Amino acid sequence: NAGVTQTPKFRVLKTGQSMTLLCAQDMNHEYMYWYRQDPGMGLRLIHYSVGEGTTAKGEVPDGYNVSRLKKQNFLLGLESAAPSQTSVYFCASRTFGPGNTIYFGEGSWLTVV
Amino acid sequence: KNEVEQSPQNLTAQEGEFITINCSYSVGISALHWLQQHPGGGIVSLFMLSSGKKKHGRLIATINIQEKHSSLHITASHPRDSAVYICAVSGGGADGLTFGKGTHLIIQP
Repeated sequence: NAGVTQTPKFRVLKTGQSMTLLCAQDMNHEYMYWYRQDPGMGLRLIHYSVGEGTTAKGEVPDGYNVSRLKKQNFLLGLESAAPSQTSVYFCASRTFGPGNTIYFGEGSWLTVV
Repeated sequence: KNEVEQSPQNLTAQEGEFITINCSYSVGISALHWLQQHPGGGIVSLFMLSSGKKKHGRLIATINIQEKHSSLHITASHPRDSAVYICAVSGGGADGLTFGKGTHLIIQP
């Protein structure tokens, strides 16, 4: 049971380039999330999804797009990367209901130069 | 928006000491999570609480809903407990958690 898997783990981008981070979960969870973690700040929600075909904006959605075409996958896209998007990105998932454990991926380290 | 405050921000202790990390939040919640993050590593859920107290090995988590406060205790601390401990709260909706900034714990041998 792999849990939550993120790819790639590390990436360096040039300003203006685009890329996609892939999150895959094998626990049949309804809810999936993309967070970013920056020094001195708590994790912040970028986008989330409550089911296949649905997405919603979180706290810091600007500059990112997401898609959830399959229940097990949640993609995070950067259309035109900016240095301010240098961060560690975490995907997470949990099943329906407020009192359920949340599972995180290992993180993706992204540097935009 | 819920505000989550953790204290202390940094804590260095000697092996064997009893450790307490505190978390307070501003708005009523449906659940509180304690998470652990090792340097360069992923985030692991330690506890999820909606009331009372939970224990897992040397870790104990308590929550006081009326006071909007939770504590994470580590008994007989060990260098392998060195990590960042993060408190996060859920309001009951699907829109994820609100996180504290974390407590960086170092246990020296």
